Amino acid sequence: GAVVSQHPSRVICKSGTSVKIECRSLDFQATTMFWYRQFPKQSLMLMATSNEGSKATYEQGVEKDKFLINHASLTLSTLTVASAHPEDSSFYICSARWTATYEQYFGPGTRLTVT
Amino acid sequence: EDQVTQSPEALRLQEGESSSLNCSYTVSGLRGLFWYRQDPGKGPEFLFTLYSAGEEKEKERLKATLTKKESFLHITAPKPEDSATYLCAAQNTGNQFYFGTGTSLTVIP
Repeated sequence: GAVVSQHPSRVICKSGTSVKIECRSLDFQATTMFWYRQFPKQSLMLMATSNEGSKATYEQGVEKDKFLINHASLTLSTLTVASAHPEDSSFYICSARWTATYEQYFGPGTRLTVT
Repeated sequence: EDQVTQSPEALRLQEGESSSLNCSYTVSGLRGLFWYRQDPGKGPEFLFTLYSAGEEKEKERLKATLTKKESFLHITAPKPEDSATYLCAAQNTGNQFYFGTGTSLTVIP
C-alpha cells in the first residue's frame, strides 16, 4: 500500500520550454502533497506543500511563478517548471500523505535535464 | 532553530559487521521521527516512524530507536543489498518536516 507514482521519470528539454511533472497517489487519497528538489549527494529540499483544492504554500526562495503547482484532486498533483533553464536541472521528487498519518510516501522521482 | 543532523556521512561495513547510524534532532515539539532508505536515482522508501522516546521498531536487519534527542538505526549483520543512503526526518507540532543529509552506507561482500 501507499504507492506514489511520478511521470515522466526522465525528461530532457531545451532552455525556455516548460515541463510538467505529474505525481499520483495510486492506492490512497492524498490530502497533502509535497514537492522536493534534490541535488547530487545532498538531502531533500522542500519546495512547496499543497493541499487538495487549495493554493500551494511555497518555501522561502522558491519562485511560485516559475514552479507552478496544482493539486486538483486527491490523487493528482502537478509541478510545471515554466521557461526552464539549465540551472533548473535537478531531481524532483514528490511525496504524499493522507490526513490520518504523519508519514510521507515518496514517488520515484523525475530527473530533469535542461540543455 | 529546528534541525536534523545525521552521522556519519558515509559508512563502509564488511558484510555481517553490525553498526549504528545516528540522527540527532532539535525540533519544537516532536510529532514524529521518520527513517527512509534511498537508492541512487530513486525516491526515498519509507522504513519507520517513531513517536516517543523509548520506542523501538524493527524490520528484518534494521532496528530504529528513539530518545529525546536522537534516533539510531541499528543494522545487524548487514548484507550488500542494504547498501543505500539512509535519511531521517523529524516533524514538529507545526507539521514542518526537517530532513537530515543522510548516511551513505556501503556493505562490502
